Amino acid sequence: DTGVSQDPRHKITKRGQNVTFRCDPISEHNRLYWYRQTLGQGPEFLTYFQNEAQLEKSRLLSDRFSAERPKGSFSTLEIQRTEQGDSAMYLCASSLLAGGVGSSYNEQFFGPGTRLTVL
Amino acid sequence: AQRVTQPEKLLSVFKGAPVELKCNYSYSGSPELFWYVQYSRQRLQLLLRHISRESIKGFTADLNKGETSFHLKKPFAQEEDSAMYYCALSYGGATNKLIFGTGTLLAVQP
Repeated sequence: DTGVSQDPRHKITKRGQNVTFRCDPISEHNRLYWYRQTLGQGPEFLTYFQNEAQLEKSRLLSDRFSAERPKGSFSTLEIQRTEQGDSAMYLCASSLLAGGVGSSYNEQFFGPGTRLTVL
Repeated sequence: AQRVTQPEKLLSVFKGAPVELKCNYSYSGSPELFWYVQYSRQRLQLLLRHISRESIKGFTADLNKGETSFHLKKPFAQEEDSAMYYCALSYGGATNKLIFGTGTLLAVQP
């Protein structure tokens, strides 16, 4: 499978614990996005990277959340001191930006998601 | 603020019936609109985008700027169309991030 992969697929943790998720984008894609999806809602944007640079963060991303993409390939999303409200599906997507910043939309390819349950 | 509204959580139709999934958006500029679909046990995938003006799997969607709508239509529903459908907006700039609606579950009955 050459699509976007995410690991783990499911994570159950206790409140107060730290968790880390990994996303491997499609290999040549230079953009990587993180979204969060809670029950009954559509995905909500959290943050995105262009290569290794984190260029935008949503207000949804509290200081307990941190994301990295150290070599411009895979990315990790860490949640510290998890709370029950963090329970959600965390989706990763990647795209290839062609034509420079401001060019028209480039399709985002989504991973299967990591389902987090905080007890 | 940019927003996408899908008023129906569930749309149930019989096979062969026409389908219209509603989507309204709020954005003062010129957004790009998309429909994403998620079949059971599969990942989210792009169905169609307004600028391509394509028909994918028999589905079409026309952007109506006056009504700020981007409804998804299909003249004859098939059972394999049963899925969750999300309308999404991208207002470009540097991010190309997507703003999604809450989704509509389409159930096509035999």
